[in-house]
Amino acid sequence: DAKTTQPPSMDCAEGRAANLPCNHSTISGNEYVYWYRQIHSQGPQYIIHGLKNNETNEMASLIITEDRKSSTLILPHATLRDTAVYYCIVRDPIDNNDMRFGAGTRLTVKP
Amino acid sequence: KAGVTQTPRYLIKTRGQQVTLSCSPISGHRSVSWYQQTPGQGLQFLFEYFSETQRNKGNFPGRFSGRQFSNSRSEMNVSTLELGDSALYLCASSKGPGQGYEQYFGPGTRLTVT
Repeated sequence: DAKTTQPPSMDCAEGRAANLPCNHSTISGNEYVYWYRQIHSQGPQYIIHGLKNNETNEMASLIITEDRKSSTLILPHATLRDTAVYYCIVRDPIDNNDMRFGAGTRLTVKP
Repeated sequence: KAGVTQTPRYLIKTRGQQVTLSCSPISGHRSVSWYQQTPGQGLQFLFEYFSETQRNKGNFPGRFSGRQFSNSRSEMNVSTLELGDSALYLCASSKGPGQGYEQYFGPGTRLTVT
């Protein structure tokens, strides 16, 4: 079973920031938070991951709360091509390599 | 760097047949995981191979099996196909446990069982 809870859908205006929340209240100390997205039943695309510090890369930023029970993925300037299903996953990358995907959030970016 | 490749991309089989799907990981990656995706169940973990050994297994019947070769390429096999096996089968590669934290997915093989 997935260890995360995400809203089923969200809308965002093109050019605005998209903030996707994720709850993972049972996360353990060795588990990282990962974000992936999937477009039109293509293979999921890795976005970003983090343990406890905020992370940023060329695609997005990941904000993790101090108690690590929730996180937010931020797409700073959403485009129409960011329309996809976004998955938040918690996983221990050393001990357990399988990723348990929940239902994800369907983000629709509107012009 | 070439990504994860999966062959074939599309496949149609009839009930009772068996099927073999292939996955070539990113060069240098030694871990390969397989997932099944259906509209009803979403993405579900099948199994993971590292250095030719199955390291983790999901909750699937024994009809689903896999293997990994010395060059890290992997195959999965489904025997005695059922209609419910129709799905998108995804392969993901990574460097290995503790050696790199990202998994990269291939485009998938869409299997239709009639």
